Amino acid sequence: GNSVTQMEGPVTLSEEAFLTINCTYTATGYPSLFWYVQYPGEGLQLLLKATKADDKGSNKGFEATYRKETTSFHLEKGSVQVSDSAVYFCALRRFSGGATNKLIFGTGTLLAVQP
Amino acid sequence: NAGVTQTPKFQVLKTGQSMTLQCAQDMNHNSMYWYRQDPGMGLRLIYYSASEGTTDKGEVPNGYNVSRLNKREFSLRLESAAPSQTSVYFCASSEGQGYMNTEAFFGQGTRLTVV
Repeated sequence: GNSVTQMEGPVTLSEEAFLTINCTYTATGYPSLFWYVQYPGEGLQLLLKATKADDKGSNKGFEATYRKETTSFHLEKGSVQVSDSAVYFCALRRFSGGATNKLIFGTGTLLAVQP
Repeated sequence: NAGVTQTPKFQVLKTGQSMTLQCAQDMNHNSMYWYRQDPGMGLRLIYYSASEGTTDKGEVPNGYNVSRLNKREFSLRLESAAPSQTSVYFCASSEGQGYMNTEAFFGQGTRLTVV
């Protein structure tokens, strides 16, 4: 079946450090891939997305590239800030015939950035 | 911009009590979802509704019922609450079938504790 695996957290970094959060997926066909972010006490919001192989999604200094050959969609940011502290979820969506195109989430990675 | 609105934000129930979580969206979306979020397990889909008048089970439907009252509203009911249903519940909505690339919008969540 379809699934998403992302690195365990928490990830603790100092401000201005480089961030990578790994995400790999299992899916047949060509899913769309997403990163969502959840700030403390809030719901999830879309951070970036990519809809086909080799697409790069980017937003707020974060980027991720859809790598079909390695079935990966790793999240990166060159210089993190304290305000980036949140839980990050990798997700995929694959259209499955008559069913609605459900989002499938990874378990989430907590990022804590220290000043 | 209200987006997706969930009520209540917090609730404490005794084992065996019933309650309904309400969700409404004002974006004219066809699809709506209920997820639960538990530590180390990410978001798991409870039920979803591809369109008004239709509902389907997700990964963890046992102990829950849903009603798609109209296009705007999608409620989740716990008939006899159990401690295992202590969780944070999120409602979400998105464009329906054929709109793979669109994002899902989430409510702010309901933190439910069953004692």
